[in-house]
Amino acid sequence: AQKVTQAQTEISVVEKEDVTLDCVYETRDTTYYLFWYKQPPSGELVFLIRRNSFDEQNEISGRYSWNFQKSTSSFNFTITASQVVDSAVYFCALSSARQDKYTSGTYKYIFGTGTRLKVLA
Amino acid sequence: ETGVTQTPRHLVMGMTNKKSLKCEQHLGHNAMYWYKQSAKKPLELMFVYNFKEQTENNSVPSRFSPECPNSSHLFLHLHTLQPEDSALYLCASSQAAGGTDTQYFGPGTRLTVL
Repeated sequence: AQKVTQAQTEISVVEKEDVTLDCVYETRDTTYYLFWYKQPPSGELVFLIRRNSFDEQNEISGRYSWNFQKSTSSFNFTITASQVVDSAVYFCALSSARQDKYTSGTYKYIFGTGTRLKVLA
Repeated sequence: ETGVTQTPRHLVMGMTNKKSLKCEQHLGHNAMYWYKQSAKKPLELMFVYNFKEQTENNSVPSRFSPECPNSSHLFLHLHTLQPEDSALYLCASSQAAGGTDTQYFGPGTRLTVL
């Protein structure tokens, strides 16, 4: 079975602190994708990153960075020098291909329960 | 208009009402999705449409009825809902439903059932 665990329900930090959001996943598939989304109070899930299972290189985008480690089945997200605007719920998601008549793979999109990040001024 | 839009943004309805949620995507995608987000629960996938055909119904009660007239529009018709159906309903789209394309989400409709 596939599963995504975000053990941190809520994190509070003071502005300018670094913060890491944890994501641990389970899958038996060898080909899969991992995602991070941000959900601000407005409600819309904003796509942040997609990483495939064959690419373990860490990625940095501005103040955001992601650490993918297959050995520990983790895909952690770090915000450097946090800002109040980073306050949101962050979701990690796992997807692998699904068999339907349009593709030859199999697909399932699983979200974690989310981590609420509060950045205090 | 860009991305994925949803209307209305807020909806209050009684248990005997009939209402519809609308989603429109301007990304040229072929797959569309309905999700339910309740407090303290993971996002629940409700329906998947790929090239206008429903490819997944995740054991959703029949009081929720989806409709996908074309690849850009998706509706969720609601009737005789229960208070526990109160939630944020999110629409998403992706290039295709097969494979692992990134899903892009709309702002959601906050539904309250009295």
